[in-house]
Amino acid sequence: KAGVTQTPRYLIKTRGQQVTLSCSPISGHRSVSWYQQTPGQGLQFLFEYFSETQRNKGNFPGRFSGRQFSNSRSEMNVSTLELGDSALYLCASSPLVSGGGGVDTQYFGPGTRLTVL
Amino acid sequence: AQSVSQHNHHVILSEAASLELGCNYSYGGTVNLFWYVQYPGQHLQLLLKYFSGDPLVKGIKGFEAEFIKSKFSFNLRKPSVQWSDTAEYFCAVNARNYGQNFVFGPGTRLSVLP
Repeated sequence: KAGVTQTPRYLIKTRGQQVTLSCSPISGHRSVSWYQQTPGQGLQFLFEYFSETQRNKGNFPGRFSGRQFSNSRSEMNVSTLELGDSALYLCASSPLVSGGGGVDTQYFGPGTRLTVL
Repeated sequence: AQSVSQHNHHVILSEAASLELGCNYSYGGTVNLFWYVQYPGQHLQLLLKYFSGDPLVKGIKGFEAEFIKSKFSFNLRKPSVQWSDTAEYFCAVNARNYGQNFVFGPGTRLSVLP
């Protein structure tokens, strides 16, 4: 099976702009999670989607949003970019079969490196 | 709230040395535990995981980890490291019935000298 793919791989934006990142999960995976990775804060959970519904949300401002489509592909949007949003944004998919409280291994994509100038 | 700590920020070893990376978490309920590795220029990969059962779990590439519930620990071990083990290692914890919200430790950078 193909792994988790993320596009674009690199992105440069300026402060105040908005950005949309895309993630295609492993075929058959219905859960998609997003993380922000920075040298100072490490890996921080943004949100998780299962069957087009946001199930969990981390402690990030409302400028960070996401959605999931019926084919499980997911997008993440950041509006009004700030310098501190520069980071590697990672997407992970899981082979969860139900949307309950279940947990399963997450498989990570290569990430999108966002630089805000 | 869950939190995860990893004992060492950077570990430097010679090839063939034994490795133990510490991981402790704070959460009072039942947890699922993971170790991920990030090789230079590559994405995060799962090394091993513990959901239930035997607290000593074996993963890929000769790694193993032991879950000690009383100590809230999940330490990673390898008897003999290789230069190719140079990478960053992340411990992650997920509370049962809490969805796919993984809390990651800050990571430990391992440098293996040839």
